[in-house]
Amino acid sequence: DVKVTQSSRYLVKRTGEKVFLECVQDMDHENMFWYRQDPGLGLRLIYFSYDVKMKEKGDIPEGYSVSREKKERFSLILESASTNQTSMYLCASSSSGTGKDNEQFFGPGTRLTVL
Amino acid sequence: AQKITQTQPGMFVQEKEAVTLDCTYDTSDPSYGLFWYKQPSSGEMIFLIYQGSYDQQNATEGRYSLNFQKARKSANLVISASQLGDSAMYFCAILNSNSGYALNFGKGTSLLVTP
Repeated sequence: DVKVTQSSRYLVKRTGEKVFLECVQDMDHENMFWYRQDPGLGLRLIYFSYDVKMKEKGDIPEGYSVSREKKERFSLILESASTNQTSMYLCASSSSGTGKDNEQFFGPGTRLTVL
Repeated sequence: AQKITQTQPGMFVQEKEAVTLDCTYDTSDPSYGLFWYKQPSSGEMIFLIYQGSYDQQNATEGRYSLNFQKARKSANLVISASQLGDSAMYFCAILNSNSGYALNFGKGTSLLVTP
C-alpha cells in the first residue's frame, strides 16, 4: 500500500522557534510538495522538489525553507515560527509521468499551532 | 497563470440524490489535467477522478463522473446516489505547468449529505 507519512499530526510551538516538518514517501516518487491549507483559501504551494537536492519556490515560500537530501524525504523548515504560520501543512508526492500518473499522494497532514 | 474557481462554498444534498459540484478553470496550456480530491473531516486527501484535456470521453469512477465542457472551461464533479459518507470538502485542481508537477487547487466546496 503506497504511503506518505508526516512526522507529527499535531504540533505546538512558540514564536521564534525553529520548526522541522518531516515527510517520507515509499513510492520512489521523483516529485515532492509542501502545501499549506487554511480555511477558505484551499491548498497553497509552499515549495516543491523534483529531484534530490533540487528545490523550487511555490506560491508562498516566504518564511519557509526546505531540504531534500534523500529521494524519499522532504523536510519543511520554519526558521523562526510566527503566529501567522499556524496552519495545516500537507506533504504530497507524485511520479514524473503524464496525465493521471501525475496524481499526487498526500500525507495525513500536520496541524501546527504557533503561540 | 493557471487558476481554479469553485463558486460553491457549501452544498447540501439529501441521501440517495445526485449532486453536482462546480469547477471552472483558466489556463493557456493546450494540454492539461484536472483532478478532484475529497477531504473528509479526518483531514486526508483522497483522489477521486482525473480528466485529461485531450480525453475523448468524460471520466467516470464508480459513483463519480466528470461533466467536462472544454469550451466552457468547466469540469464539474457529479456524485450520484449520495451517501452520508460523502460529506466532506471537495477540491478541484489543475496541473500547474509552471511549477513542475504541482497542482493549483480551488478553495473547495463543503458538501453535507443529510438523511
